[in-house]
Amino acid sequence: NAGVTQTPKFRVLKTGQSMTLLCAQDMNHEYMYWYRQDPGMGLRLIHYSVGEGTTAKGEVPDGYNVSRLKKQNFLLGLESAAPSQTSVYFCASSYSWGRSSYNEQFFGPGTRLTVL
Amino acid sequence: RKEVEQDPGPFNVPEGATVAFNCTYSNSASQSFFWYRQDCRKEPKLLMSVYSSGNEDGRFTAQLNRASQYISLLIRDSKLSDSATYLCVVKSSGGYQKVTFGTGTKLQVIP
Repeated sequence: NAGVTQTPKFRVLKTGQSMTLLCAQDMNHEYMYWYRQDPGMGLRLIHYSVGEGTTAKGEVPDGYNVSRLKKQNFLLGLESAAPSQTSVYFCASSYSWGRSSYNEQFFGPGTRLTVL
Repeated sequence: RKEVEQDPGPFNVPEGATVAFNCTYSNSASQSFFWYRQDCRKEPKLLMSVYSSGNEDGRFTAQLNRASQYISLLIRDSKLSDSATYLCVVKSSGGYQKVTFGTGTKLQVIP
């Protein structure tokens, strides 16, 4: 199993350009997440999905959109990139997020995005 | 006050030493606690969960102190391979099962 994969690994954009980050998982997980990690800020949740066809906002959703058309894929879009979106983006997935339990989140290798 | 706070370090320790990190959390309703490990320029990976009674996994021991709202991670007999950033993770109760990551504590084990 590949686990969680992310495409691309690196990208440089100019302000105002758009792009889509692709996350794929082969573990049949229901839940998928997009985080960004910035120095001194920790991982912050952008959007998440509890199943195919569903998405929800996380802590820092502004400037991003997501789609979950297939269970195994979770796409993160930047419509008009800004320098403040320079970050490392991690995708993660997990089994159902039970109220009384925690299911380990498996992370992808990350995408390093620079917006000039 | 941040929801989850960690000393960023770095903690520079010699091989074989014992080192401990603490992590404080602000939400008294927090349910579950974990330590993740993140190697340089890599993704985070679950190291261990933290149980109320404390738990041990080889050289690693995790403790929870609900009264003072902190969790700790103790590493005995440090190895060079333990060099990494250790992230504290807290899951809160409520309608939205919020998971908050700390900013991490960097450990450097020196030969």
